[in-house]
Amino acid sequence: GAVVSQHPSWVICKSGTSVKIECRSLDFQATTMFWYRQFPKQSLMLMATSNEGSKATYEQGVEKDKFLINHASLTLSTLTVTSAHPEDSSFYICSARALGDVNQPQHFGDGTRLSIL
Amino acid sequence: EDQVTQSPEALRLQEGESSSLNCSYTVSGLRGLFWYRQDPGKGPEFLFTLYSAGEEKEKERLKATLTKKESFLHITAPKPEDSATYLCAVQRGGYNKLIFGAGTRLAVHP
Repeated sequence: GAVVSQHPSWVICKSGTSVKIECRSLDFQATTMFWYRQFPKQSLMLMATSNEGSKATYEQGVEKDKFLINHASLTLSTLTVTSAHPEDSSFYICSARALGDVNQPQHFGDGTRLSIL
Repeated sequence: EDQVTQSPEALRLQEGESSSLNCSYTVSGLRGLFWYRQDPGKGPEFLFTLYSAGEEKEKERLKATLTKKESFLHITAPKPEDSATYLCAVQRGGYNKLIFGAGTRLAVHP
C-alpha cells in the first residue's frame, strides 16, 4: 500500500522549454502533496506544499512563477518548471500524505531527474 | 530554528558488523520523527515513525529509538543489501512539513 507514482522518471530538454512532472497517489487519497528538490549527495529541500483545491504554499526563495503547482484532485499533483534553464537541472521528488491524519508519514515517488541543456 | 543533524556522514561496515546511526534534532514541539531509506536514483522509502521519548520500533535488522534530543537507528548484523542513504526527518506540531537531515550513507561490504 501507499504507492506514489511520479512521471516522467527523467527528462532531457533544451533551455527555455517548460517541463511538467506528474505525481500520483495510486492506492490512497492525498489531501496534501509535497514537492522537493535534491542535489547530489545532499538532502531533500522542500519547495512547496500542494493542497487539493487550493493554492500551493511555497518555501522562502522558491519562485512561484517559475515552479507552477496544480493539485486538481486527491490523487494528482503536477509541477511545471517554466522556461527551464541549466540551473534548474536537479532531481525533483514528490511525496503524498494520506487523507485525514497529519501523523501519517509522507510516501515518496521515485523522483524525476531533469537535465536542461 | 528547527534543525536536524545526522552523523556520521558516511559509514562503511563489514557484513555482520552492527552499528548505529545518529540523528540529533532541535524542534519546538515534536510531532513525529521519521526514518527513511533512500537508494541511489530513487525516492525515500518510509521505515519508521517515532512520536515520543522512550519509543522504539523494529523492522528486520533495523531498530529505531527516540530520546528528547536524538534518535538512533541501530543496524544489527547488516547485509550488503542494507547499503543505502538513511534519512532522518522531524515534523513540528501544527505544521505539515518535514525537516530533513543530510543523511548517512551506509556501505556494507561482504
